[in-house]
Amino acid sequence: KNEVEQSPQNLTAQEGEFITINCSYSVGISALHWLQQHPGGGIVSLFMLSSGKKKHGRLIATINIQEKHSSLHITASHPRDSAVYICAVRIQGAQKLVFGQGTRLTINP
Amino acid sequence: DAGITQSPRYKITETGRQVTLMCHQTWSHSYMFWYRQDLGHGLRLIYYSAAADITDKGEVPDGYVVSRSKTENFPLTLESATRSQTSVYFCASSEREEGTYEQYFGPGTRLTVT
Repeated sequence: KNEVEQSPQNLTAQEGEFITINCSYSVGISALHWLQQHPGGGIVSLFMLSSGKKKHGRLIATINIQEKHSSLHITASHPRDSAVYICAVRIQGAQKLVFGQGTRLTINP
Repeated sequence: DAGITQSPRYKITETGRQVTLMCHQTWSHSYMFWYRQDLGHGLRLIYYSAAADITDKGEVPDGYVVSRSKTENFPLTLESATRSQTSVYFCASSEREEGTYEQYFGPGTRLTVT
């Protein structure tokens, strides 16, 4: 079993829909990252969380440390949000990020 | 230009050849990382470096060599390329590895070994 699990693996939605991508992890962490990767493109950091909730524009990220779970929400989704979203955790006391497999999001106009 | 850059962006090489992928960052970040990204595996850490002349293995180091003689550069060398090393390689840097410091990723190098 992977230390970081994302769901769903693939998600297709219509423009304007509210999107939720989930990330569960099985280890103690010091931080959790949400990353975005457009097709053929580089990787961009969206959020870094160690507790609570962060908001940037239409994107909201939450984390529940007790439940070892994080969610990434996109409000009023747009075709330009189509990308792979990757959850990564920094394990406590370890010197690396552990990545989820990613969620491929497609927003149709 | 400021930021983190990788070169080349695309490379095709033959089995058995030596290949070096370059990574350069202008922030003077202490930590630098090399990842490979493959379908079905996500991103996996190959090597990382905490400072100049300090490097350590990640999850999949076999077949790779790194060096870090200067803070800003972190080259990754495939000493004898194999087809299983066909992948997209990402370099990243961060100010500090511990705590909650972000990693900044380069644009990636797509390597094909024929």
